[in-house]
Amino acid sequence: DTEVTQTPKHLVMGMTNKKSLKCEQHMGHRAMYWYKQKAKKPPELMFVYSYEKLSINESVPSRFSPECPNSSLLNLHLHALQPEDSALYLCASSLAGGETQYFGPGTRLLVL
Amino acid sequence: GQQLNQSPQSMFIQEGEDVSMNCTSSSIFNTWLWYKQDPGEGPVLLIALYKAGELTSNGRLTAQFGITRKDSFLNISASIPSDVGIYFCAGITQGGSEKLVFGKGTKLTVNP
Repeated sequence: DTEVTQTPKHLVMGMTNKKSLKCEQHMGHRAMYWYKQKAKKPPELMFVYSYEKLSINESVPSRFSPECPNSSLLNLHLHALQPEDSALYLCASSLAGGETQYFGPGTRLLVL
Repeated sequence: GQQLNQSPQSMFIQEGEDVSMNCTSSSIFNTWLWYKQDPGEGPVLLIALYKAGELTSNGRLTAQFGITRKDSFLNISASIPSDVGIYFCAGITQGGSEKLVFGKGTKLTVNP
């Protein structure tokens, strides 16, 4: 089983809203990732958690706040987003950092 | 920084034709990955390559890891309409970096 699940599939939010994106995997992977992807571009890395600790933050604005409650779950908390934050948000996981990454289906986010 | 040069940028082919795309880099990679992404969905791993010179097949797909570890190609034989999508190569650098380096993608269109 190489499945990473993400909820919700679609999300529309206003600039004053607070929302969360969720990601889950049950493959025993110990590294989990958040990516942002704009149309016709490759995914851009945002955050990496390795063994439930934040190991990489790619200078992401503080209106994006990641959380890793346990080894299977990864959340991305959103607050006071801007319209330019509209994108496909992808979660991925790998057995450990530096290993092959498996992506979830993504959350399509629209900020109005 | 490291980058992968992926070509061609786009391809328009007839159903039944074979397809070839490649990625090159000036840097050495430990692992090469090929993903396919449908619109609005997450990238799906097609083939992972771990050894220099490795040739791997997955159904109608064949990929090879260059002997110098700086390039890879992906071939699709006898294309079908569902092959339509964007194909990304991605590399994991020596030392097992947590960051994937992505190519810019090849958009494939298959005419029935």
